[in-house]
Parts: sequence; structure tokens; C-alpha cells
Amino acid sequence: EPEVTQTPSHQVTQMGQEVILRCVPISNHLYFYWYRQILGQKVEFLVSFYNNEISEKSEIFDDQFSVERPDGSNFTLKIRSTKLEDSAMYFCASSELNGGYSYEQYFGPGTRLTVT
Amino acid sequence: QQPVQSPQAVILREGEDAVINCSSSKALYSVHWYRQKHGEAPVFLMILLKGGEQKGHDKISASFNEKKQQSSLYLTASQLSYSGTYFCGTEIGGGTGKLIFGQGTTLQVKP
Repeated sequence: EPEVTQTPSHQVTQMGQEVILRCVPISNHLYFYWYRQILGQKVEFLVSFYNNEISEKSEIFDDQFSVERPDGSNFTLKIRSTKLEDSAMYFCASSELNGGYSYEQYFGPGTRLTVT
Repeated sequence: QQPVQSPQAVILREGEDAVINCSSSKALYSVHWYRQKHGEAPVFLMILLKGGEQKGHDKISASFNEKKQQSSLYLTASQLSYSGTYFCGTEIGGGTGKLIFGQGTTLQVKP
């Protein structure tokens, strides 16, 4: 069964450093998402991406965050200058073509980001 | 804007039933249900679109009351594997894919 994969599984970085989290969505999916979950809390939407453009973003997704689809398979989330409060589990998800209809989003296993 | 889930936590014995509710103050386009086990990714359970439909597979089903902006997840004859945290994700805009999740309901099934 196709699945979303994410690397690395755990990333430790120092405050102020840049990090790039990588995701490989399911191959025939065209909508991609990043969510984050602070330990013990709910899942929070960060951004959705379609056709090489951001479709929606939340208030959390400020200028320190960016997303990119550098090639036909990878989808990345970059945090330019990490803060302690960026420590969380980051989930990538993907869904089939959205186009005004809702499709199930399949989540990857997550990358645990620890900022020290 | 965040949907409210109730109850916050449930403890069941194997074979018992449970209902988890998800309420929103906003008009909903769709409701997505996920189950998350500790340290794992959320796993998709089902999606309900506006129109008041009901869905189900195996012993898990859900309904969506568009007028009340509420969805309920029904777990019947619970199994140990049902343990985890259940999240509803609500979509307000038409098919935007932006899910706003509730705070979660922790379900523990005991033998």
C-alpha cells in the first residue's frame, strides 16, 4: 500500500539554525500539506500546496517557514531560524486532486524536531 | 474556530460502545476522523461531507448533522486495538483541504 514517507525521523538543532524537513508524498497525489503537533496537543495545520503554489496557510506559517517541491517526488518544509517553540512533531500529508471536493489526507510518520 | 470534542477521555471494557462528538461554531464543508496511537501518525478513519450523510465500516461509523454543525463517531463492540486518541478535523471552506483539528478524545479499552 502506498504511503507518505518523511526524513529524518528525528532532528535536533540549535536555536537560530535552519532546518529542512523532507517528505515524499504518495505518487499520484497532487495536494500536499504540513501539520505540526506539539507534544500532547492537537494537530495544527500549517500549509497546503498544489501546483507549485501555496493554497492555504495558517497564522503559524510566518516568514520563517517556506515550502518547496524541488523535484517530482519530494516536498520540503524549511524553517529558516528555528526557535525553541518550533519543537514539535511535523507531519506531512497528501491527498488526491482536491478541486473543490474533500479527499482523505494520508499522513506520514512525522519528523520530531527538537530545538535546543 | 477550533471544533470542540467531547468527551475528553473515555475508558471502556472490551465489547462496550462509545460515542465521540465533534461540534463546530462554523458551517462545515466536511469532517474528517482520525485515530492516533502514542508516538505514531494520525490514521485516517473516514470523511463525511456536508449533506448529513452517515458512513461506516466494520464496527466504526460516523454521522454528520449539517444543521447542528456536529459530527459523531460511533465505536461499537470496542476492541483493544481501538485504544488511542481520536481527532476530528473540520473543513470550513469548500474543499480547501485545510483541516482544523479538535483537541482530541483519548479512548482506552481495557480487557
